[in-house]
Amino acid sequence: EAQVTQNPRYLITVTGKKLTVTCSQNMNHEYMSWYRQDPGLGLRQIYYSMNVEVTDKGDVPEGYKVSRKEKRNFPLILESPSPNQTSLYFCASSPQQGGNSPLHFGNGTRLTVT
Amino acid sequence: KNQVEQSPQSLIILEGKNCTLQCNYTVSPFSNLRWYKQDTGRGPVSLTIMTFSENTKSNGRYTATLDADTKQSSLHITASQLSDSASYICVVRWGNTGFQKLVFGTGTRLLVSP
Repeated sequence: EAQVTQNPRYLITVTGKKLTVTCSQNMNHEYMSWYRQDPGLGLRQIYYSMNVEVTDKGDVPEGYKVSRKEKRNFPLILESPSPNQTSLYFCASSPQQGGNSPLHFGNGTRLTVT
Repeated sequence: KNQVEQSPQSLIILEGKNCTLQCNYTVSPFSNLRWYKQDTGRGPVSLTIMTFSENTKSNGRYTATLDADTKQSSLHITASQLSDSASYICVVRWGNTGFQKLVFGTGTRLLVSP
């Protein structure tokens, strides 16, 4: 089944403790992206990747890191999480960055930073 | 500023009734507009896409319209079912060939009541 898989689904951590949220897609998509979803704000892009070893900042990159060493994986790293990073995070992929292809989203990771 | 505004914020309708959700955008240059459905606890899933030359497109009981002159789109749901209860997100792609970005609306939360 074609899908985007995120892990974990739920994560509670404390301020300053490094964490990684994994994202993997099995559709051979070139484009991958991370979003955070907060009430009343909609989805906001954190980082995106056009292809392997090509990553760039989105609209809200502060406090986050990413890497794209393989085409299928695009982990999101929080080196020193803070309470304002408490949010619902989504990974998404599509065949390419532009055009008419839809984004395929994972089922989200709900992160709470205390 | 590129923006997407959706209305209403939330809506409650009785099962079997019809409803219409609105999306107004100010992005330029316009590339396409897509409606996503997001069930609680899940990632958004694409319902339909509208390009500049398309006025209407259907996907089962969902019908999207686009007026590129007034920069408005609507999503009409016919004969609603309990499974239609979800958030509906309007997403507009803008930019020129080679670099395009997405702007997300904050969504309309629909509750279909028995």
